[in-house]
Amino acid sequence: GENVEQHPSTLSVQEGDSAVIKCTYSDSASNYFPWYKQELGKGPQLIIDIRSNVGEKKDQRIAVTLNKTAKHFSLHITETQPEDSAVYFCAAPPNSGYALNFGKGTSLLVTP
Amino acid sequence: DAGVIQSPRHEVTEMGQEVTLRCKPISGHNSLFWYRQTMMRGLELLIYFNNNVPIDDSGMPEDRFSAKMPNASFSTLKIQPSEPRDSAVYFCASSRADGNFYGYTFGSGTRLTVV
Repeated sequence: GENVEQHPSTLSVQEGDSAVIKCTYSDSASNYFPWYKQELGKGPQLIIDIRSNVGEKKDQRIAVTLNKTAKHFSLHITETQPEDSAVYFCAAPPNSGYALNFGKGTSLLVTP
Repeated sequence: DAGVIQSPRHEVTEMGQEVTLRCKPISGHNSLFWYRQTMMRGLELLIYFNNNVPIDDSGMPEDRFSAKMPNASFSTLKIQPSEPRDSAVYFCASSRADGNFYGYTFGSGTRLTVV
């Protein structure tokens, strides 16, 4: 399997500030790293992903960076808005198979 | 596409009863996953299917849990007999699988309460 550790477990920021969530993984062969956003009462939704052939990917206010040497990847949200408040999960695949292992989640609260 | 469809959305049952959760994956996705979510343990993989075949069921807690995928458009997760510790939100997700990894599409989940 794949051990994925995620920090912090909770994060509170003021509207307009940036938020950063970090994950580490153990299998150096992993090559796909998605991030999910889960709003209350809903299933996790894919918001951005990165493959190991790039170091950074951006999509408007969100970005993901990958450091394969250190085996960690991070989610960056800039200009946070109250609607960004949710639980965010990182994930990584095992070295065989297609079943993602998820981090424990980060509860992000953006206060107006 | 309507996305991954799960039913029921909520289920309250008495201990000892049989519970069946249902999932319709996205058309064209050939991998299907069942996850369980609790506060204490987060998202746990229970089982996943590739082309309707169970590939890894090592996450199934015990023999009380079983899952089937009779065709590409339907899967069930059954708990018999149910116990209070089975109370959780159960998610089904589907994905493409062609040798590369792709993101999952999750359903809205079934919130199970066993009393």
